[in-house]
Amino acid sequence: GAGVSQSPRYKVAKRGQDVALRCDPISGHVSLFWYQQALGQGPEFLTYFQNEAQLDKSGLPSDRFFAERPEGSVSTLKIQRTQQEDSAVYLCASSLARTGREQYFGPGTRLTVT
Amino acid sequence: GDSVTQMEGPVTLSEEAFLTINCTYTATGYPSLFWYVQYPGEGLQLLLKATKADDKGSNKGFEATYRKETTSFHLEKGSVQVSDSAVYFCALRGTSGSRLTFGEGTQLTVNP
Repeated sequence: GAGVSQSPRYKVAKRGQDVALRCDPISGHVSLFWYQQALGQGPEFLTYFQNEAQLDKSGLPSDRFFAERPEGSVSTLKIQRTQQEDSAVYLCASSLARTGREQYFGPGTRLTVT
Repeated sequence: GDSVTQMEGPVTLSEEAFLTINCTYTATGYPSLFWYVQYPGEGLQLLLKATKADDKGSNKGFEATYRKETTSFHLEKGSVQVSDSAVYFCALRGTSGSRLTFGEGTQLTVNP
């Protein structure tokens, strides 16, 4: 079946612009995660949804970052007033159960802020 | 908080060589441990996992054993292939059961 999809795959934004990154999880997956992966580093947790509820947003680096999953399926990560340090690959993952199950990752969105 | 430390890379080997990538962790309780692989241009894929002490995860000729006494989960393969060239990430899922904490990744290049 279809895996996790993310769009766009690549995004170039000028500093100060707002961006929106989309994640389509695997159908029926309850849990959805966002991670940020800087160049040459491992992914770092940003936020976690269980259905439409955002249960953990402790990894969001600033109040310019906002995520939503209004219907418990598709999720959007929004970054306002982008800065150069926001340049990274943003990974989305979904999982079938609430806890303790494998996370399936999408291909990521590479964001470059110029 | 939870953390994962991987051996510094990159690692370059000849085909059929033995591979070890070291991974140690810090976590409270009994985390689950994972190795993920990222091939060029692709997303992260789960390679293997272990959920309790002394468990051995294995897949595609790769193995790793959950060592509680040394807080380690080293990745090994007896004979690497060119197609194993990728970035390998060690990760843990803490007892809260949700987020993954990753190491910094190890780039492996296998030459024919």
